[in-house]
Amino acid sequence: DVVMSQSPPSLPVTLGQPASFSCRSSQSLVHGDGNTYLSWFQQRPGQSPRRLIYKVSNRDSGVPDRFSGSGSGTDFTLKISRVEAEDVGVYYCMQATHWPLYTFGQGTKLEIK
Amino acid sequence: QVQLVESGGGVVQPGGSLRLSCAASGFTFSHWVRQAPGKGLQWVTVISYDGNNQFYAESVKGRFTISRDISKNTLYLQMNSLRAEDTAVYYCATHEFDFWGQGTLVTVSS
Repeated sequence: DVVMSQSPPSLPVTLGQPASFSCRSSQSLVHGDGNTYLSWFQQRPGQSPRRLIYKVSNRDSGVPDRFSGSGSGTDFTLKISRVEAEDVGVYYCMQATHWPLYTFGQGTKLEIK
Repeated sequence: QVQLVESGGGVVQPGGSLRLSCAASGFTFSHWVRQAPGKGLQWVTVISYDGNNQFYAESVKGRFTISRDISKNTLYLQMNSLRAEDTAVYYCATHEFDFWGQGTLVTVSS
């Protein structure tokens, strides 16, 4: 099974400063069709998860452009250029390349310093 | 407006059964994902677009069954032989995980 590892577990950031989340997979996430099915989700306190990024770097509709995704193979990053108060929550990466078994990372909690 | 609404959660004794429902509007739903209290997200099961194939996480295989009724636009999760470790909020989500329901809480406890 593919294991997704996220770091750090907790990320204290000052408002207006950047934030960076790391996600590593135990196997390459490059699919045979050439795509890499790595997504990022945000879960605000008390809310359902919300997809932010799909296929590594594609932002979902309505997601602010301060969020960006990058990476390849087994190493991926989500960045927030300037953290706002509404960004507080837990961020998860998830792989869908090795379907039909989907795997989430354990999450990184973003908090305001 | 895309909407997913789960129902059917509650308190059940170990070894008991529960059926969750997810009512959807306007698109194809596919997955159940759960989240134990204070923990991360765990994918549980998926049903294919045509409904002919279902896949399960190892931890629920043989105990949970995913199904759907297209005429009612509803996705189901039949959960049998429930264990304490199945206690979680259960979410339904679309095939691409781009829309999620609000979740329904299942508590397995004596």
